[in-house]
Amino acid sequence: GAVVSQHPSRVICKSGTSVKIECRSLDFQATTMFWYRQFPKQSLMLMATSNEGSKATYEQGVEKDKFLINHASLTLSTLTVTSAHPEDSSFYICSARRPDRVGDGYTFGSGTRLTVV
Amino acid sequence: GQNIDQPTEMTATEGAIVQINCTYQTSGFNGLFWYQQHAGEAPTFLSYNVLDGLEEKGRFSSFLSRSKGYSYLLLKELQMKDSASYLCAPLDSNYQLIWGAGTKLIIKP
Repeated sequence: GAVVSQHPSRVICKSGTSVKIECRSLDFQATTMFWYRQFPKQSLMLMATSNEGSKATYEQGVEKDKFLINHASLTLSTLTVTSAHPEDSSFYICSARRPDRVGDGYTFGSGTRLTVV
Repeated sequence: GQNIDQPTEMTATEGAIVQINCTYQTSGFNGLFWYQQHAGEAPTFLSYNVLDGLEEKGRFSSFLSRSKGYSYLLLKELQMKDSASYLCAPLDSNYQLIWGAGTKLIIKP
């Protein structure tokens, strides 16, 4: 089955620093990847849709200069949280879609717990 | 607008059966997913329905009625490890998953 690897699983950083999260599709080519954020006891919130070789599409209210997304290859997308602040502390999850299969084509990474201190 | 409605929390007994309902409104429809999410973990795929009817997969079954904008997830022979949140996520016309807050299922011995 489709496997998506996300790391780091946990990261603690100081306020004002930047953090990079990687999402890799291990056994398929992902033309589209999705980045979500989830606060405790809340639903998944789509931040942006990342398309290989083009600029990411950000959802309303998500600062594209703060959350930098790069999808330089068919198997790797990265999310960089720049100048992180405590309010950015959250659970970040990536998802990759297999272009040829809808029914089981949305696979999630294991998530990254970001804590900004 | 797009909307998902699920109960916030449900409680059931180990060994029993529970049905988690979901009603949805989306711009277009390309099927509906059910995911399981344990606390602090990413969602894992349970089922996908695109046609009306019941799909059975082991202890879990999922039902869809497109005309009613309704789906349910049926869990049989409940085990303690089934304690988790269950997310109903329809796929809209842009093949984008629409997420609700999910249903927290508590299993008691």
